[in-house]
Amino acid sequence: DAKTTQPTSMDCAEGRAANLPCNHSTISGNEYVYWYRQIHSQGPQYIIHGLKNNETNEMASLIITEDRKSSTLILPHATLRDTAVYYCIVSHYGQNFVFGPGTRLSVLP
Amino acid sequence: DSGVTQTPKHLITATGQRVTLRCSPRSGDLSVYWYQQSLDQGLQFLIQYYNGEERAKGNILERFSAQQFPDLHSELNLSSLELGDSALYFCASSVEGRSNQPQHFGDGTRLSIL
Repeated sequence: DAKTTQPTSMDCAEGRAANLPCNHSTISGNEYVYWYRQIHSQGPQYIIHGLKNNETNEMASLIITEDRKSSTLILPHATLRDTAVYYCIVSHYGQNFVFGPGTRLSVLP
Repeated sequence: DSGVTQTPKHLITATGQRVTLRCSPRSGDLSVYWYQQSLDQGLQFLIQYYNGEERAKGNILERFSAQQFPDLHSELNLSSLELGDSALYFCASSVEGRSNQPQHFGDGTRLSIL
């Protein structure tokens, strides 16, 4: 079973920030949080990952709570091309990912 | 483009047959992972190889096997195929077997069993 829980689906207006939550209350001290997305049946695309500090790259920002029991992926200005299934994964050493059902994000015009 | 190459993109075959899926990892990546994605099961980890050696096993059936060659490409062999084996098969690679660096996925092979 996945170690994370995410909402089944979310909508976001084009141009607005999309905030995708993830609960990982049983995360251990050396497990990282990884975010991927999958558009249609393409291969999962890596977005961002972090341990305990907030992270930002050209695609998104990752906010991890101080107790590390939850995190939020932020897409600052969502576009129609961001419509996808988003997966939050916790993993030790980046191995053996366990994918849950993810969040289906629909960006609406 | 993730840099991970999978061939073929599509494969159609019949029950009872055997197929081989191929994966070339990103340049410099030593670890290769195989995943299966079916409609009712989601993305499931099958097996991991690191620098030619099996590192971890997931929900891989005994009818399935894999190997990683000296040039680091990997093959997933599926035999005695059943209708339920119809799925997308993804390969991913990462720099090492035990680091926090992310896995990067190929675009998959769609296997259809008739």
